[in-house]
Amino acid sequence: QVQLQESGPGLVKPSETLSLTCTVSGGSISGFYWSWIRQSPGKGLEWIGYIYYNGNTNYNPSLQSRVAISVDTSKNQFSLKLSSVTSADTAVYFCARHYYDDAFDVWGQGTVVSVSS
Amino acid sequence: DIQMTQSPSSLSAFVGDRVTITCRASQSMSSYLNWYQQKPGKAPNLLIYGASSLISGVPSRFSGSASGTDFTLTITSLQPEDFATYYCQQSYSPPYTFGQGTKLESK
Repeated sequence: QVQLQESGPGLVKPSETLSLTCTVSGGSISGFYWSWIRQSPGKGLEWIGYIYYNGNTNYNPSLQSRVAISVDTSKNQFSLKLSSVTSADTAVYFCARHYYDDAFDVWGQGTVVSVSS
Repeated sequence: DIQMTQSPSSLSAFVGDRVTITCRASQSMSSYLNWYQQKPGKAPNLLIYGASSLISGVPSRFSGSASGTDFTLTITSLQPEDFATYYCQQSYSPPYTFGQGTKLESK
C-alpha cells in the first residue's frame, strides 16, 4: 500500500528556511492531492497547504507569504519550503494524501523540526 | 476560516462504555467533516470521512453523525485500543482546520 516518508533537517536556525521532502512509495503521486500538516503543543494540528500532482497549490493564508510547496513526479516526491522561520515553527511536520472529501487517508510518520540557534 | 470547537477536551471512560465526542463548526459546511484517532508518537489515523462514512477496516463500533453544524463521533463498547486522542477536521473549504482534540483516557 502507499506509504509516505518525510525527510529533512531536524534543526533549523531562526530566520532561515525549513526544507522538507515527502517521498511516496507503493503508488504513484499522479492523480492525487498532497498536503503538509504540522502539529505543535501550542497550536494543535495546522494545515499548511496542498499541491496537486500537476503543480497547482493552495496555501494556508496564515503562512502563505512564507510557504512554497513543489512536486517532482519523476521522483514521486513533493517538498515544503518555509522561509524566515521562528521558534513558533517548531513542530512535527507530516505529509499526507487527500482522500474523498479532502480527508487525509495516508500520513507519513512525521518529522520533528526544531527552530533554534 | 471555519473554526472547529471540539468537546470535551478530555474524557475518562471504562472499557465497554459508550462515548460521544462533539465538534461544532462556526458556519455551515454540509457534511465535509472527518474524524481521526491519534496515539502518542504516531500520525493521525482517518476513521470517518464525510461525517458518517466509515473507512474500510475501522471497527463498526465507531460511527459519525451530523446535525446542522454539529458533528458527533460515537464509540460504542469502548475497547482498550480505543484510548487515544481524537480530532475532527473540516474539509469544506481551505484552509482546512482541525478541532483541538479530545483525549480519551481509561477510568
